[in-house]
Amino acid sequence: AQSVTQPDIHITVSEGASLELRCNYSYGATPYLFWYVQSPGQGLQLLLKYFSGDTLVQGIKGFEAEFKRSQSSFNLRKPSVHWSDAAEYFCAVSGGSGGYQKVTFGTGTKLQVIP
Amino acid sequence: DVKVTQSSRYLVKRTGEKVFLECVQDMDHENMFWYRQDPGLGLRLIYFSYDVKMKEKGDIPEGYSVSREKKERFSLILESASTNQTSMYLCASSKNPGAGGGELFFGEGSRLTVL
Repeated sequence: AQSVTQPDIHITVSEGASLELRCNYSYGATPYLFWYVQSPGQGLQLLLKYFSGDTLVQGIKGFEAEFKRSQSSFNLRKPSVHWSDAAEYFCAVSGGSGGYQKVTFGTGTKLQVIP
Repeated sequence: DVKVTQSSRYLVKRTGEKVFLECVQDMDHENMFWYRQDPGLGLRLIYFSYDVKMKEKGDIPEGYSVSREKKERFSLILESASTNQTSMYLCASSKNPGAGGGELFFGEGSRLTVL
């Protein structure tokens, strides 16, 4: 069965500092991987996705993520965090080569940004 | 823009009542999903559908059923609501990854309280 682990429930960083959110997945074949962000009281927005090709993926709002097959990881990074990045971040995995798509999410990491 | 519309933003129901949550998408997506979101547990997949009249159980299907009679509409049914089904319910849709899709588009959510 596919699954996603986000080991950090809460992370606090200072504004301007770098950020890395961890994500480990379990999937039998080559996965499709996603990062979504949910601001307080808002819906989920896609930050970036990995389907194939270059293992370093660029997303919106200055975020990037790197797919490492050997570590079953897809960590999200940002070089300099802004106060508006405070939100909850969700990693997700799916397959898709078989035609339909089951998408499984992790439990989320809540990011707090301090001045 | 893709629009996923959930019929009710807030519902209050009594234990034992039958509850219908409706979701409509306007982008001809093949896949539709129902998740529940609870603090600390992330998004958990209840059911998903990859075609009209086709459905697959997700990770927590117990106590729920679904219906997809038309491609654009996916309904979640709680046959006999219980207090432990108090939650935020999120509907999402996606195009198949093989057809250039894969990204989930979410509705605004339906917050259900069962008394």
